[in-house]
Amino acid sequence: AQTVTQSQPEMSVQEAETVTLSCTYDTSESNYYLFWYKQPPSRQMILVIRQEAYKQQNATENRFSVNFQKAAKSFSLKISDSQLGDTAMYFCAFMKPPLGSNYQLIWGAGTKLIIKP
Amino acid sequence: DTAVSQTPKYLVTQMGNDKSIKCEQNLGHDTMYWYKQDSKKFLKIMFSYNNKELIINETVPNRFSPKSPDKAHLNLHINSLELGDSAVYFCASSQDVGTATYNEQFFGPGTRLTVL
Repeated sequence: AQTVTQSQPEMSVQEAETVTLSCTYDTSESNYYLFWYKQPPSRQMILVIRQEAYKQQNATENRFSVNFQKAAKSFSLKISDSQLGDTAMYFCAFMKPPLGSNYQLIWGAGTKLIIKP
Repeated sequence: DTAVSQTPKYLVTQMGNDKSIKCEQNLGHDTMYWYKQDSKKFLKIMFSYNNKELIINETVPNRFSPKSPDKAHLNLHINSLELGDSAVYFCASSQDVGTATYNEQFFGPGTRLTVL
């Protein structure tokens, strides 16, 4: 069974600093997808960034980038020039290519990120 | 336009009651989901459903049942509510584009259920 581990329950950095959130996963699949979702205090789940396992290039979305290490089964999220609005819970999630219509996401426990002014 | 909507956003009820949470998506997606987020923020899939099959997480009590009147709706019915059912419930949807492509899941705003 697939598992996702986020080892940092909470992190806190100053505004404008760079922060890296860690995520490791366990799977025997060779092809799969990885995601980082953000959940601000509003509760809304927002997709931050995604990575296909067959792509060697790390995904980047503006200030957000990932360090995907397939052999190590590691998928960390780097937030550059952090902003107050980045304060949220961040969830790492894993999805293997669906069989039939089973597209279930496996979630990590989340990391609470606090950006201090 | 709201992509995935849930009603109500907050639901407070007594133990033993039966309640429903409604979910609607206007994205034309084929698959819908229900997740439960507990007090420790842990997210757990409860159901995934499209017009072909219902996948049930085996740990979900049979007091919970999804009902889909049409492709755009997947409502969650809960019978005989218990204190441990208190949580935030999220609905989500994704497009069925086949096995070769990932399907981003779009989430509703969540429903906070409190059982007294």
